[in-house]
Amino acid sequence: GAGVSQSPSNKVTEKGKDVELRCDPISGHTALYWYRQSLGQGLEFLIYFQGNSAPDKSGLPSDRFSAERTGGSVSTLTIQRTQQEDSAVYLCASSALGGRETQYFGPGTRLLVL
Amino acid sequence: QKEVEQDPGPLSVPEGAIVSLNCTYSNSAFQYFMWYRQYSRKGPELLMYTYSSGNKEDGRFTAQVDKSSKYISLFIRDSQPSDSATYLCAMSFKDNFNKFYFGSGTKLNVKP
Repeated sequence: GAGVSQSPSNKVTEKGKDVELRCDPISGHTALYWYRQSLGQGLEFLIYFQGNSAPDKSGLPSDRFSAERTGGSVSTLTIQRTQQEDSAVYLCASSALGGRETQYFGPGTRLLVL
Repeated sequence: QKEVEQDPGPLSVPEGAIVSLNCTYSNSAFQYFMWYRQYSRKGPELLMYTYSSGNKEDGRFTAQVDKSSKYISLFIRDSQPSDSATYLCAMSFKDNFNKFYFGSGTKLNVKP
């Protein structure tokens, strides 16, 4: 079956532009996570969606970052007015129920802000 | 101080060697410990998880947790070139699985 997919795989943008990153989770998975992985750093938690509950946004680094999940499936992470320090790999993961259930990661979107 | 510390490596070993990968952590409330493997330009995949202290074995892989020392380890026996990847440890609290705290990863190279 299909795994988690993310698009685009690579994105180069200019400082100050807005970008949208997309995540298609595994069908039927109710939990969805966004992480950021910078060079030499571990995965940094950004946001967590679980079913129809209010998302846990506590990891978003600034108000330039936002995410939504439509219909309990596809999620979009938006970064407004991008800065060079936003350059990183953005990873999405989904799990069947959240909690201790195994998270399945997508391949990531590599974002480069010039 | 980071919540989870992990030596970035790289760690280079010959094929067949026993590999030891380690993480230390600062928060004694962590209860759930995981190891992920990440190949280049791929997302991480879960290798093993343990709850609280103790050992867990799965094939060539053994995970150990020493809560008294706040130290976790992953051992790989009979290492293979296909084990070459970055290994990330991760942990979470008992009652909050919204957030997982990751180490920065150790890059392993197994030479044939």
